[in-house]
Amino acid sequence: DAKTTQPTSMDCAEGRAANLPCNHSTISGNEYVYWYRQIHSQGPQYIIHGLKNNETNEMASLIITEDRKSSTLILPHATLRDTAVYYCIVRGPYYGGSQGNLIFGKGTKLSVKP
Amino acid sequence: GAVVSQHPSWVICKSGTSVKIECRSLDFQATTMFWYRQFPKQSLMLMATSNEGSKATYEQGVEKDKFLINHASLTLSTLTVTSAHPEDSSFYICSARLKQGRDYGYTFGSGTRLTVV
Repeated sequence: DAKTTQPTSMDCAEGRAANLPCNHSTISGNEYVYWYRQIHSQGPQYIIHGLKNNETNEMASLIITEDRKSSTLILPHATLRDTAVYYCIVRGPYYGGSQGNLIFGKGTKLSVKP
Repeated sequence: GAVVSQHPSWVICKSGTSVKIECRSLDFQATTMFWYRQFPKQSLMLMATSNEGSKATYEQGVEKDKFLINHASLTLSTLTVTSAHPEDSSFYICSARLKQGRDYGYTFGSGTRLTVV
């Protein structure tokens, strides 16, 4: 599975958009980009995922560059409850001998400040 | 949405004893479950992958005789930490994979904080 690179930490003002970048330059054509977040001492929470196209749901938007080597997670109106560690994960396909499991990197610690 | 219930949320045990952690998929059948371990201020480390009815696949460096995984049904997977030692103290998290349309989703349990004294 391709590795990802994220900034260690970021700050965001409450009510503003939080833009979290992720580099995955070695991603292959059949690998998905997943975003999860983990609030302290809890299990990871799914946010969004995509393959090629930009995606949007009630939580966030995912912008994937045309070459798929990087992506950005956008929280449109960050709140204090969005303070968490955000993980960008590239997941391989699930077929054949591949387990298609999620391998977590170090993530970005997002601090939303009043 | 798909929910994985993990119990207990925390446990304290004496060194040398065994501890069992359970994960149940409440409203779906989990063919595959993953077990992770997380030390303080570190990321989640995949320990093993279990498929219902077959032996678990362990990641390199994870002792299969120490961390026993049972996935005997489509709704229950257990992780037993045998002969626990203080260095096994960690946050253990399970995850289940489920089919969503043509793709797969992954949902996580709430985690178990294990403290070995």
